[in-house]
Amino acid sequence: GAVVSQHPSWVICKSGTSVKIECRSLDFQATTMFWYRQFPKQSLMLMATSNEGSKATYEQGVEKDKFLINHASLTLSTLTVTSAHPEDSSFYICSAREQQAYEQYFGPGTRLTVT
Amino acid sequence: AQTVTQSQPEMSVQEAETVTLSCTYDTSESDYYLFWYKQPPSRQMILVIRQEAYKQQNATENRFSVNFQKAAKSFSLKISDSQLGDAAMYFCAHQLNFGNEKLTFGTGTRLTIIP
Repeated sequence: GAVVSQHPSWVICKSGTSVKIECRSLDFQATTMFWYRQFPKQSLMLMATSNEGSKATYEQGVEKDKFLINHASLTLSTLTVTSAHPEDSSFYICSAREQQAYEQYFGPGTRLTVT
Repeated sequence: AQTVTQSQPEMSVQEAETVTLSCTYDTSESDYYLFWYKQPPSRQMILVIRQEAYKQQNATENRFSVNFQKAAKSFSLKISDSQLGDAAMYFCAHQLNFGNEKLTFGTGTRLTIIP
């Protein structure tokens, strides 16, 4: 149980285009989802927290207009990187948590390369 | 704000031996959770062990155990009978026990297993 999937696992896009990453909880209802970014050989950096049906809460320094997060259902959250640039190339990881639970379940991550 | 410090960027251990990874944290709260996560080359985050701060007994999961010293704000991970599959990045993380509190990660320790 407690499986979180991400799609795609790897995406290449051209500079200036937008790319959407999906995060799904497969066997539980995720009232809260988190999006992280991880640069090579570094730790996970939280980008934003989203609650189903509400606007996401972004961490300081994260551009909300560039990283659009939607959590429209209890099993799906999406991260859209708008007008991507090479510096947005990174590994993006989502996690999900059930209501009144404390443990987060992590997706397998998405590698984004912007050329 | 919570902080988590892992002072060992890299560690190595002989196969079948025991290794201890260090973690210290800082928080003004008394109710929280502590976690150790493993990130193998696949980059999937895997929960190794968790500890509730209100529990004095140290958590144990098979070959993995922790030494939780609340007053010292220390949370080390001991891996016994190290196996080749234990090679990974290990992240210590802290989470408060209220609201939609987020995980705060340390910078990680890369563990190498020597055959």
